[in-house]
Amino acid sequence: EVQLVESGGGLVQPGGSLRLSCAASGFTFKNHYMSWVRQAPGKGLEWVANIKEDGSERYYVDSVKGRVTISRDNAKNSLYLQMNSLRAEDTAVYYCTRGGRRYVDVWGEGTTVTVSS
Amino acid sequence: QSALTQPPSASGSPGQSVTISCTGTSSDVGGYNYVSWYQQHPGKAPKLMIYEVSKRPSGVPDRFSGSKSGNTASLTVSGLQTEDEADYYCSSYAGSNNLGVFGTGTKVTVL
Repeated sequence: EVQLVESGGGLVQPGGSLRLSCAASGFTFKNHYMSWVRQAPGKGLEWVANIKEDGSERYYVDSVKGRVTISRDNAKNSLYLQMNSLRAEDTAVYYCTRGGRRYVDVWGEGTTVTVSS
Repeated sequence: QSALTQPPSASGSPGQSVTISCTGTSSDVGGYNYVSWYQQHPGKAPKLMIYEVSKRPSGVPDRFSGSKSGNTASLTVSGLQTEDEADYYCSSYAGSNNLGVFGTGTKVTVL
């Protein structure tokens, strides 16, 4: 079964850091573009970042550039999102997704990040 | 990259059809045949319903169909069923040096 399982979310103070992880299974991870998509409470979906199959290209939404780094470990079938200098507006459910800018065909269940003092 | 424009809500009775529009620009929807649609039930992760404008993934009922004309894409749900009540989001490719862009979302209500 194709599956993506996120972890690492939680409550963090403004200015703090979190590292989200996504464990992939049931497919050949190294062959797929991967992305993080987030959804703030009561709001719509927003692309956060994506990364090419070999990690050679990465793209970020303007609001997280310089604060967030997407990475992957193809040997561990894992995707990561390092988030620094977190702000209240980063509060959201973060979804790990298979695919990139053309379409996303697999979604994890999401991990919740809450930035609050 | 600005969000694609969708109507906030749409509704129909069981068995009827509903069509949701998704309007972008020539830099996204109008420029590429990479429009996708996602269904999201409350508290759940989104699910891919349509990709590359009109293709259906395995397991998606053929009641769901997609099309595009110019800078506007559309999702039609025919023969509405109660389980179709959900939020729907479009998304489009926006060029090789950009992330994709999502639509603003449409809440579909089955009356």
